[in-house]
Amino acid sequence: DAKTTQPPSMDCAEGRAANLPCNHSTISGNEYVYWYRQIHSQGPQYIIHGLKNNETNEMASLIITEDRKSSTLILPHATLRDTAVYYCIVSPHNTNAGKSTFGDGTTLTVKP
Amino acid sequence: KAGVTQTPRYLIKTRGQQVTLSCSPISGHRSVSWYQQTPGQGLQFLFEYFSETQRNKGNFPGRFSGRQFSNSRSEMNVSTLELGDSALYLCASSGGTSDRLGQFFGPGTRLTVL
Repeated sequence: DAKTTQPPSMDCAEGRAANLPCNHSTISGNEYVYWYRQIHSQGPQYIIHGLKNNETNEMASLIITEDRKSSTLILPHATLRDTAVYYCIVSPHNTNAGKSTFGDGTTLTVKP
Repeated sequence: KAGVTQTPRYLIKTRGQQVTLSCSPISGHRSVSWYQQTPGQGLQFLFEYFSETQRNKGNFPGRFSGRQFSNSRSEMNVSTLELGDSALYLCASSGGTSDRLGQFFGPGTRLTVL
C-alpha cells in the first residue's frame, strides 16, 4: 500500500473550516483515498473516501488533486467534538481492501 | 443497524498466559480485520478474514492467530503473552467486496499484560 504523509498537528477555531492535507505521491491507479478519525480511546471512525473525483457527505468533503498525489479533508464548520486524530490512508478497492496501513495521522485541536 | 461489538472491553493477564478476544461485525459484513494500537507503534494491521478464510496478514509473530466463523464473527488469540502485547486491539468490519464503504471499527479491547 502507498504511504501517506500528514502534518502531526493542526489547530482550528470553532466554527471555521478545518482543512487537513495529506500527501500520497506514490498512490497507484487502483488505490482509493480513505479518511478516518479517532477520538481518544475510541475506535477509528470512517469519514469519507474517494478515487479521483471530489466527494462530499454529511461529515466532510474530500478534495483530491488531479494527479492524485495529494488530498485535503475539509470539515466545513469545525466543532469542539471534531477534536481527534485524523488518518489518511490509501488502499485498493479489492481483496486487499481489508488491510489498511495507518500512519501517525494529524491531531486536530478545535479551539473555542 | 448495530455497530461492531467487541468483548471483553478490558482484560488483564499475566505474562505467559493466552487470551481470546471476540468481534461481532455489522450484520451483512463478511470481512473482519484486526489491528493492534500502542502508543509507540500506532495502529498496526494484524490480519483480515473474509468468508472464514484469512485473506491478508500483517507482520506479527505466530503467537497471534485468528479465525472467523460462518456467521462472520471473529476471534483472535494471543498465546504466551508478553508485556509488549499490552495494547488496544481493534476489530473492523466491511462488506469485503468492491462496493464497501470503508471499514467500521469497534470500540476495542484494552489488554494489559502484567
